[in-house]
This record gives sequence, C-alpha cells and structure tokens, in this order.
Amino acid sequence: AQSVAQPEDQVNVAEGNPLTVKCTYSVSGNPYLFWYVQYPNRGLQFLLKYITGDNLVKGSYGFEAEFNKSQTSFHLKKPSALVSDSALYFCAVRANSGYSTLTFGKGTMLLVSP
Amino acid sequence: EAGVAQSPRYKIIEKRQSVAFWCNPISGHATLYWYQQILGQGPKLLIQFQNNGVVDDSQLPKDRFSAERLKGVDSTLKIQPAKLEDSAVYLCASSLSGQGFDQPQHFGDGTRLSIL
Repeated sequence: AQSVAQPEDQVNVAEGNPLTVKCTYSVSGNPYLFWYVQYPNRGLQFLLKYITGDNLVKGSYGFEAEFNKSQTSFHLKKPSALVSDSALYFCAVRANSGYSTLTFGKGTMLLVSP
Repeated sequence: EAGVAQSPRYKIIEKRQSVAFWCNPISGHATLYWYQQILGQGPKLLIQFQNNGVVDDSQLPKDRFSAERLKGVDSTLKIQPAKLEDSAVYLCASSLSGQGFDQPQHFGDGTRLSIL
C-alpha cells in the first residue's frame, strides 16, 4: 500500500528566511508526487508536481520541490518565506502506472512570523 | 475558468438524520472525486467517477453513504443515517481525465458537516 509521511506537524520560520516542509513516500514502482496548499476554510490548491525528468520542480508562488529517489523524499522549499505563505501543506503520491488513487499525508502547518 | 462549486458550505444535523452535498466540477472535467477530510488528517478518497461511471468506491461506507453523477457533470453525495464519526469536511475535486494520473486535481471549498 502506498503512503506519505509528513514528519512535522508544524514548521515555524521568520519572514524572509528559507523554508522547508518535509515529505517522504512509499509506493510500488515510480511515483507521481504533488504538493497542495490549504488556506483556512478553503479547498486544496495545487502547487506543483513531479512526474519525471529534472529532480528540482518549480511551482506556483515561488515554491519548488526536490525529488530524491534514493531517499524517497519530496521536500517542499522556498528561498524566502512570506507571512502570506502561512497555511496547511499536503504532500500526495500515486503510482505512475496502473490504477492508483492519490494518497495524502496528514499535512504540515507552516507559520511564517513577521 | 470557474472553479469547482460545492454547496452547502456548512451543515449541522443530528445523528441518524440524512444530509446531501452537491458538487459542480470545472467544465470539461471528466473525472470527479469526493473526499472526506477529518480534522488533523489529509483528505481520504470516498469515490471517483469517470464521466457518469464509478471508477473506485472501495472506501465508501456503502451502508450509509451513496453518490451519483447521473449526467456526467454535477454530483451529489448523501449520508443516511449520519453518525457522529461522519463529522468532517467533504471535498469535491475534478480533473481533466482520471487516465492521466499526472494531472492535478482541482478542489472545491468543501462542505463542513457537524453531527450533534
């Protein structure tokens, strides 16, 4: 069975500093990996995805993520955090062949302080 | 483009009552998903439709939950009778095609259900 682990319930960072939100995954075969963001009382918004190719993926709002196959990780990063980045972030995985549902992690709350 | 529309946004009912949620996906999106998001957890898939056919309902509690997408566009999810553990946010999402597993899903703002 596929799974996603987001080891941190909360990440605190000061505005202007770099941020990292961690994600590791388990899936049969090769993965499709996604990051979504959820603001209070809103649905999930797609940020970026890894399908194949370059291990560094760039997405919306200046976010990027690095795929590491040997460590089965897909950490979300941003060089300079904004207060408005404060939200709940979800990592998700599905297998890239056959039928596979999208499995989400439990989420990591990012708090950016002014 | 207009996003995924869901209604109502909030619903409060007593246990053993019934409730229904409605979803209108993004125009042209063949695949529609219903997720349950319990507080502190990630979304869990309940059912996936491809056009008006069910692709996966393996995690749908079929003794109390039902869903339909009769014309391959909008969809309803029903709970009857509701239990306390059904308190959650119910999210609807859509994507262009479920066959393209690399395609992102687009989510509505959800319905927050509280069971008293």
